[in-house]
Parts: sequence; C-alpha cells; structure tokens
Amino acid sequence: QVQLQESGPGLVKPSQTLSLTCTVSGGSISSGSYYWSWIRQPAGKGLEWIGRLYTSGSTNYNPSLKSRVTISVDTSKNQFSLQLSSVTAADTAVYYCARVGGGILNYWGQGTLVTVSS
Amino acid sequence: DIQMTQSPSTLSASVGDRVTITCRASQSINSWLAWYQQKPGKAPKLLIYKASSLESGVPSRFSGSGSGTEFTLTISSLQPDDFATYYCQQYNSYWTFGQGTKVEIK
Repeated sequence: QVQLQESGPGLVKPSQTLSLTCTVSGGSISSGSYYWSWIRQPAGKGLEWIGRLYTSGSTNYNPSLKSRVTISVDTSKNQFSLQLSSVTAADTAVYYCARVGGGILNYWGQGTLVTVSS
Repeated sequence: DIQMTQSPSTLSASVGDRVTITCRASQSINSWLAWYQQKPGKAPKLLIYKASSLESGVPSRFSGSGSGTEFTLTISSLQPDDFATYYCQQYNSYWTFGQGTKVEIK
C-alpha cells in the first residue's frame, strides 16, 4: 500500500520560498506510469492543482502558478519536493501531495498546513 | 483552461434521501471526470473515476453519470457517513477541480 507524507516548515515569511517534501513509502517513486502531484486547499475553500512530476522526470504546472513553482524529485530518498517562490498570504493553505494514475488522484498524503505570515 | 462548475454549493438533506450533485465543464472532457469525498481535516477520497466507474471499496449507493460537459454524482440513499464535501475533477487537460458541494444534515 502506497503511503505519502508531507513535511516542511509550517510558517513562511512573505516574499520567501515555500519548500515542502513528500516522502513516498510502499512503492518506488521511479517505477510505474504515475504522476506525483501537489495540490493545495486554502481554509474553507476548494482544491487547487499546483503541478505534477512524471516518473520520467518531466513536469507540468498550473498556468496560474507556473512562474513561481518548481517540483523536483530525489529518487535516492524516494521523495519529491515543491518549491513556491515569492509567497504571499494568498498562498496560506493545506498542501497535499498525491500519486496520480491515469489522471486520478488515488493516493493522498494527510496534508500539511503552511501559513504565510511575518 | 477548463473550468469546472458544481451545483449546488450546499445541499441540505436527510438520511435516506436521494442526492444528486451536478458538475459542468467549460468544454468537452469526454468521460475524464472523477468525484472525491472530503471530510473535515482529511484528504479527499476517490469515489468515482472515468465519470461512472466506482472505485474499489466505495459503497454501491454512489454512482456517477455523464459525458462531454455535464456530469452527475448520485447518492441513492444518504447515510450518516456521507455528510461531507464532494468535488469533481477533470483530467482531460491537466487537472481542474470544481468548487465543491457540501452535503449537510437537514
């Protein structure tokens, strides 16, 4: 059973870079035909797809965030990471990582709250 | 970008009711639509994929239908565990979620 766990700072200052890591267990991040993705959810609001990383290493990002987002992988640690630059209060949200097969997000992490505040 | 619009935003219902949630896409997404259930403080849970395929382990009272631009999620007989927020998601072109439908106790 694949499990995902987000980790990273819970508080980030405005204009700085938000960095989160998703650790995958129960399967190799570099095998199979899967996307590994980040999704976020501001308090009381809906879900927003941030971006995705394919097992080949290619990436795609939400056009609305593309200029600020980088998703990368560390296969030796079975992890993938999110960096979101120049954050503002609007980036305060619960951030989820997920494994995606055929476009379907069928395995999710539990989510981690990131607050942007000075 | 493909926009997804759900209706209603909130739905008040009683145990045993038949509940229907609608999701409309701004352009055709064929059948590349999934439905998720989310409870407070938890990650979303996949219910339906490819518009009408039931995810393993999901009760058969959940069903999905539609293609093109209009889709529905139906709960045939609402159970206490079903009070939650439901999201549709298109995966025809990148991924976009609807804004959610909260199913609350009447």
